[in-house]
Amino acid sequence: EVQLVESGGGLVKPGGSLRLSCAASGFTFTNFVISWVRQAPGKGLEWVSSISSTSSYIHYADSVKGRFTISRDNAKKSLYLQMNSLRAEDTALYYCARGQGITMVRGLVNYFDYWGQGTLVTVSS
Amino acid sequence: DIQMTQSPSSLSASVGDRLTITCRASQSIDTYLNWYQQRPGRAPKLLIYGASHLQGGVPSRFSGSGSGTDFALTISSLQPEDFATYYCQQSYSSPQTFGQGTKVAIK
Repeated sequence: EVQLVESGGGLVKPGGSLRLSCAASGFTFTNFVISWVRQAPGKGLEWVSSISSTSSYIHYADSVKGRFTISRDNAKKSLYLQMNSLRAEDTALYYCARGQGITMVRGLVNYFDYWGQGTLVTVSS
Repeated sequence: DIQMTQSPSSLSASVGDRLTITCRASQSIDTYLNWYQQRPGRAPKLLIYGASHLQGGVPSRFSGSGSGTDFALTISSLQPEDFATYYCQQSYSSPQTFGQGTKVAIK
């Protein structure tokens, strides 16, 4: 069974940092692009960042570029999101999601066939 | 960035109803259009990929259609478990973007 389990969320002050993790199981982790997608309370879905299987290709949404860093450890079957200079507008439930239907012609894009349950990040003073 | 606009934003329906949700892209995305269902308090679930391909395990009452800029998700006979919010997503170009969602409520 494919499983993605996020952790590391919490309450942080504006300007602070947080590191999210996503532990994967039930599939060959090294074969897949993995992404972070977030959802602010009561709002819709927003793609945040994606990383290719060998970390050769990394993309970020403009809203987080320069502040967030995505990485993965294939030996540990884990995905990470280092979030720095956090703002109130980063408050959201952060999901990790597995990518399928990868296309590279117009950036690293895909659809998401499995999602974790999310970890909540709250940025507030 | 490609903008995705869903219609309607919300609707009320009854069990057994046939309903259609539409999604329009701000430019052509071929058939790189995907649909997700999100029940309250749950993670999104993939329903349809590539505009019309049913994800494994998804009931056949769900179907998708369209290409270019106009797409539709149809539920042929609404079931109690289908009351949820539905999102479209384009995977044509980065950044991949979602529609704002359509909430389906019980009438």
